[in-house]
Amino acid sequence: AQSVTQPDIHITVSEGASLELRCNYSYGATPYLFWYVQSPGQGLQLLLKYFSGDTLVQGIKGFEAEFKRSQSSFNLRKPSVHWSDAAEYFCAVDYRILDMRFGAGTRLTVKP
Amino acid sequence: GAGVSQSPRYKVAKRGQDVALRCDPISGHVSLFWYQQALGQGPEFLTYFQNEAQLDKSGLPSDRFFAERPEGSVSTLKIQRTQQEDSAVYLCASSLRDWLTNEKLFFGSGTQLSVL
Repeated sequence: AQSVTQPDIHITVSEGASLELRCNYSYGATPYLFWYVQSPGQGLQLLLKYFSGDTLVQGIKGFEAEFKRSQSSFNLRKPSVHWSDAAEYFCAVDYRILDMRFGAGTRLTVKP
Repeated sequence: GAGVSQSPRYKVAKRGQDVALRCDPISGHVSLFWYQQALGQGPEFLTYFQNEAQLDKSGLPSDRFFAERPEGSVSTLKIQRTQQEDSAVYLCASSLRDWLTNEKLFFGSGTQLSVL
């Protein structure tokens, strides 16, 4: 069955440190891939998306993600985390029209 | 409006009560989605509208759930005879064109429903 997995429920990093949030999907073909961020009391905001082409995609707020077909992964990275990055991050995959699946989310805490 | 607006922000219902959740998408947006987000989970698809047409309702968990968008703008998600398992955050999202163009989704802040 198609699924998307975010292995880390909660991650804590120090401000200024690098960040990598993991996302794996299971599907025979390459789906469309997304990362969303959700701050408390806020709606989901799109950080970046991958449809085709260059496997390293740049997003807003200094985030980037790399699609690795061989690993069925789409990990989110940021070289230097800011305190304002503390939020819940969701990986999502769109297997076909109207079938977007979200991961369970990774909560990011940023230490001063 | 500037973004997707949902009301109420919080709703507490007694089991068995009917509730109605409202979504005001961004003006002019063609596509509208409803998602259900249980505690500690990612959003799960409920239903999709293109203008006033409900093109997919396969995610609605039971016939107690009903959604409409009669004039192709505001949408209402109605839950009849609420049960405790209906407690969740209900998210609405809209996009400018139809989903075939893989448009960016804009999400509202959600309605948190608690059924006691």
